[in-house]
Amino acid sequence: ETGVTQTPRHLVMGMTNKKSLKCEQHLGHNAMYWYKQSAKKPLELMFVYNFKEQTENNSVPSRFSPECPNSSHLFLHLHTLQPEDSALYLCASSLTGTSGSSYEQYFGPGTRLTVT
Amino acid sequence: AQSVTQLDSHVSVSEGTPVLLRCNYSSSYSPSLFWYVQHPNKGLQLLLKYTSAATLVKGINGFEAEFKKSETSFHLTKPSAHMSDAAEYFCGSSNTGKLIFGQGTTLQVKP
Repeated sequence: ETGVTQTPRHLVMGMTNKKSLKCEQHLGHNAMYWYKQSAKKPLELMFVYNFKEQTENNSVPSRFSPECPNSSHLFLHLHTLQPEDSALYLCASSLTGTSGSSYEQYFGPGTRLTVT
Repeated sequence: AQSVTQLDSHVSVSEGTPVLLRCNYSSSYSPSLFWYVQHPNKGLQLLLKYTSAATLVKGINGFEAEFKKSETSFHLTKPSAHMSDAAEYFCGSSNTGKLIFGQGTTLQVKP
């Protein structure tokens, strides 16, 4: 396991529920990411935060709402999800540098989400 | 535009034989390149990375990868497969801080 934790590890929710996923990193990084991993599909980058500011939103539906209160914590608020949103949601963190700098990302174990 | 292609969706080897997982990249600039491994119900773990230093990169668990600019490749190898190597492997490329992943390769290791 890395220094990135995610809770809960498993979540089952109905389409009318509201729930939140939590990610915390203990690595002193200043960038955090949400990815969606569906069966038979490549990893999809959803959101990127640098120094608590959202720097990327890859056309994610508004039923997914991220929140980054500080550089160590990242949330993904979920509401009125669809069955096709069932997937493994991965959080990652990294250092961030000047434009062109590329640091490796460290991933959490993921939250397995099932929407019924 | 930046892209990563993993040439095999599934690779099967016998325990003790060499492993080769192939990755080609496309990038306008010299990218940083990564290999990650994902075991079932786990997150991605970094195996190794290339960041314009030595072209042969050694990683954890006996894996290594060679950056070949002329072939735009970054193939992952291991001399002798172990049962615990069975997992999903992802190649990634980054030249602007954004990490782009390939589709993944499932490695099966037979006894």
